[in-house]
Amino acid sequence: EVQVVESGGGLVKPGGSLRLSCSASGFTFSSYFFNWVRQAPGEGLEWVSSIGPTGTIMYYADSVKGRFTISRDNAKDSLYLQMDSLRAEDTAVYYCAREDQYQGFDHWGQGTPVTVSS
Amino acid sequence: QSVLTQPPSASGTPGQRVTMSCSGSSSNIGNNYVFWYHQLPGTAPKLLIYKNDQRPSGVPDRFSGSKSGTSASLAISGLRSEDEADYYCATWDDILRGRVFGGGTKLTVL
Repeated sequence: EVQVVESGGGLVKPGGSLRLSCSASGFTFSSYFFNWVRQAPGEGLEWVSSIGPTGTIMYYADSVKGRFTISRDNAKDSLYLQMDSLRAEDTAVYYCAREDQYQGFDHWGQGTPVTVSS
Repeated sequence: QSVLTQPPSASGTPGQRVTMSCSGSSSNIGNNYVFWYHQLPGTAPKLLIYKNDQRPSGVPDRFSGSKSGTSASLAISGLRSEDEADYYCATWDDILRGRVFGGGTKLTVL
């Protein structure tokens, strides 16, 4: 069974840092693109970042470029999101989503909440 | 403000057919596949439609997608109470070099 599970969310002060993790199982992790998508309270979905199967291709939304870094460890079947210089507007539930080449974001985690507040 | 434009709300009665739109531009919908996701209250999003009009296994044929030019649509026939959810369209944007989502349409089953 395909599973993706996020962790690492929490409360952080403005300007602080946080590292999110996403652990995957039930499939060949190294064969897929992965994405982070966030959802601010009461708002819609916002794509944050993507990483290719080998980790050499990365894309970022303009809103996080230069502050967030996506990475992966295929040996550990894990995805990461290093978030620096956090702002109040980064407060959201962060979802990890597997991207199938043809089917799009076909498996999502349950999300991990991040709150940026003093 | 989202790159893809969706109406904020839609509604219908059980058994009815409802459609919701997703409007973009030549750099996104006009040149790339459209995907649809739905999100039940308090849960993670789920894939509903891929490659404009394809349904993943397990998604009922009551759900159908279409694309024409720079716009896409999702139709739900035989509306049920459990279809009450938020619906999002998504695609790739060639200029932004990233995925983009619509703002979402909240479907209410009256």
